[in-house]
This record gives sequence, structure tokens and C-alpha cells, in this order.
Amino acid sequence: QKEVEQDPGPLSVPEGAIVSLNCTYSNSAFQYFMWYRQYSRKGPELLMYTYSSGNKEDGRFTAQVDKSSKYISLFIRDSQPSDSATYLCAMSESMDSSYKLIFGSGTRLLVRP
Amino acid sequence: AAGVIQSPRHLIKEKRETATLKCYPIPRHDTVYWYQQGPGQDPQFLISFYEKMQSDKGSIPDRFSAQQFSDYHSELNMSSLELGDSALYFCASSPDRPTGYTFGSGTRLTVV
Repeated sequence: QKEVEQDPGPLSVPEGAIVSLNCTYSNSAFQYFMWYRQYSRKGPELLMYTYSSGNKEDGRFTAQVDKSSKYISLFIRDSQPSDSATYLCAMSESMDSSYKLIFGSGTRLLVRP
Repeated sequence: AAGVIQSPRHLIKEKRETATLKCYPIPRHDTVYWYQQGPGQDPQFLISFYEKMQSDKGSIPDRFSAQQFSDYHSELNMSSLELGDSALYFCASSPDRPTGYTFGSGTRLTVV
């Protein structure tokens, strides 16, 4: 079993919908949680970064972390066709000078015009 | 703003050949990471360097080696290439504070 589980999708939604993307994890030592967006043949792009439990909002994006359930979510409001990409969750035990990220397998999102 | 620069963007090699991938981190980022992403796979951590010293090692084959130079750029050397080495290789860099990585656009290696 992988340390980080993520539904691969694809997830297809109409433009304007609210999108919910989720990851579960097994390592209770994870403290730092990130969401990356990756377009085809491009490098992952950092969207959201959160520490420990709680919510963080940035524009149309909201990240939630529930450490007690080992569950993290990314919500996208008013989804746009340009949001169509693969979304990867990633997590780390620490943020020392060098820290290894463990990625989920990514969820492919398609926003239909 | 400056990003992480990787070269080359695409590389085609034959089995048993050697490949060298280069990464130029964002200025003042002192940590460099290498990840391998197979088709439809999540990025897998290979190796990282902090202040030119190897700081962590993941599932990197013995045929691969890497180093970080005095100007902080890093090179990933891959020898005796196998078909299974075909993948996207990403370099990422981070500053000395918890803000998350910045990835480069990757090098697509195809071994034929």
C-alpha cells in the first residue's frame, strides 16, 4: 500500500462547478501538505501549501487538512476549462533544509466548457 | 521571475548509452531535488543536495549518480541506460525555509 493514496480519476465536471479533490495518507508524521497542478508534459506547479490541520484559501482554491482522519482536500470554486490538468497532492514529515516529498498518484481533472 | 531551468528538454539515447541531465536552480535556492516520473506515474524521489552535499537518497539505481556544483547547478548522470529508464526527469529547488518546491519543466528521456 502506498503512503499516499489519490483517486486517479479522470474527474469530468462542467465549467463553473465546484471541484473536490482528495488524498488519504497513512504516515501520521506528515506535517506539511501541498497541492501541485501538472499540465501535460510540464513540471508540477505549486498551488497550495499548508502546515498541520486547518484550512487555507487562495482565490478560487481552498485546501483543507484533517490530520485526525489523515485526509486532505483541495476545493476549486467556479472551475474553468484552464483548470483541466492533473492535480497531485504531496506531503512531507519536515521542512528542514532538505525534505523529501511523497506524492499521490494524481487526479486528472477535465472541466468541460 | 527566474524559474528552475533544465536541459536538455528532450533526449533520445540507445540502450547501454550514457545520459547527463542538467539543472539550474532558482537563484538563492540552496537545495536541489531530482525526481523521476514514468508515464502515468507520480514523481518518485531520486536524490537531493543541500549546499552541494548529498542530503537524501531515494530509489536511485546504482547506475545513476548526481552532484551539485559550486554554482549550485546539478547534474544527473545515468549510465548503462535501460528501456525502463524512459521517463520525465524533474529537477526542483527550494530555499532554506518551508515554502514548497519549485519544479523545472523536466527532461524527457527516451531510451530506444
